Amino acid sequence: GENVEQHPSTLSVQEGDSAVIKCTYSDSASNYFPWYKQELGKGPQLIIDIRSNVGEKKDQRIAVTLNKTAKHFSLHITETQPEDSAVYFCAAILSGGSYIPTFGRGTSLIVHP
Amino acid sequence: DAGITQSPRYKITETGRQVTLMCHQTWSHSYMFWYRQDLGHGLRLIYYSAAADITDKGEVPDGYVVSRSKTENFPLTLESATRSQTSVYFCASSQDKAGNTIYFGEGSWLTVV
Repeated sequence: GENVEQHPSTLSVQEGDSAVIKCTYSDSASNYFPWYKQELGKGPQLIIDIRSNVGEKKDQRIAVTLNKTAKHFSLHITETQPEDSAVYFCAAILSGGSYIPTFGRGTSLIVHP
Repeated sequence: DAGITQSPRYKITETGRQVTLMCHQTWSHSYMFWYRQDLGHGLRLIYYSAAADITDKGEVPDGYVVSRSKTENFPLTLESATRSQTSVYFCASSQDKAGNTIYFGEGSWLTVV
């Protein structure tokens, strides 16, 4: 089955700095890669996603890049703010196939004011 | 728009007791999932369902039972709770296997004493 590795497990930055979280996946057939943000005491919520036919996608301060050859994808957050503090999960999914979402172990992002 | 709701949100039970966590979604999504979240392990899939009356095991199914008699409900039962099942449980749903957004509930915090 699919295996997703996520790094780092904890990331501490100063407000205004950029943050990058990286994930690698094992199944080259995976073609959908969402990122979720989980705030304290809540369920994860989708913040951005990318499909295998796209190399990069941006939405305001967040962006995701995908390298299919290397089988890794990354979340980039620019101009971080304290409200960005949360746990972030990546996932790799074979859409249209077995469709069992496999999540990374999560990254705890702490943005210091 | 009720979305996906879980109940109870918080539960303390004794070892050996049977516990059922309820999950209800109002979107008529085909796919539903149960995950448990533990420190250091991220989100681990317990069971999932592709449609009513169709269920399948995930990564950590032992000790759990699910059913899906109706599309909108996907209860998770711990037949004889153990302390190792102390965790936060998240129900999730998705429209189909085409790589659509997975929506999570707010979580059920279960403590087994």
